[in-house]
Amino acid sequence: QLQLQESGPGLVKPSETLSLNCTVSGGSINSPSYFWGWIRQPPGKGPEWIGSMIFSGNTYYNPSLESRVTISVDTSKNQFSLKLSSVTATDTAVYYCASSPRGTWTFNWGQGTLVTVSS
Amino acid sequence: EVVLTQSPGTLSLSPGERATLSCRASQSIRSNYLAWYQQKFGQAPRLLIYGASSRATGIPDRFSISGSGTDFTLTISTLEPEDFAVYYCQQYAASPFTFGPGTTVEI
Repeated sequence: QLQLQESGPGLVKPSETLSLNCTVSGGSINSPSYFWGWIRQPPGKGPEWIGSMIFSGNTYYNPSLESRVTISVDTSKNQFSLKLSSVTATDTAVYYCASSPRGTWTFNWGQGTLVTVSS
Repeated sequence: EVVLTQSPGTLSLSPGERATLSCRASQSIRSNYLAWYQQKFGQAPRLLIYGASSRATGIPDRFSISGSGTDFTLTISTLEPEDFAVYYCQQYAASPFTFGPGTTVEI
């Protein structure tokens, strides 16, 4: 069974770049059976899909964040990552990595990591 | 972008009662590409049920969904103590994939 674990700094300064990694266990990041993605949830609010990557390497981003987001894969570490540039306080949220079974865009989530944007 | 609205915001019920949660979309969702998640305090959301009526692994049959087009319903037939949580709907018919604001089911 796939398990996902986020890692990265819990505090990022305004205008800097938020960087998170997601380590996949119980399966290969190269598997064509899954898509890989990131979702965030501001305190007290509903989730927001950030973007996803499919096995071909193609990425799909939420247009509201597309100009600031990059999702990439490191196959040697069985990880995928998120970079969000020029952050502000409104980017403060719990960030989740997630897998989607190929053919459907439902999500199975990691445990999440809180990222606070503050000076 | 498809905007999802959930009602009620909070549902106050007792164990053993029936819960009916609503999710309304700003435009028709093709092929019932709608999913429901449960989130307990301090935990990640968990996929419950999606599509026509596919339950995720380990989800009991007291959870069911109905509806089509723009109006969908999640029903919990008999509330168990572990069902008190926040429930979110999500559409995956069109990118960007969007979530509703949630319904809290409380005792």
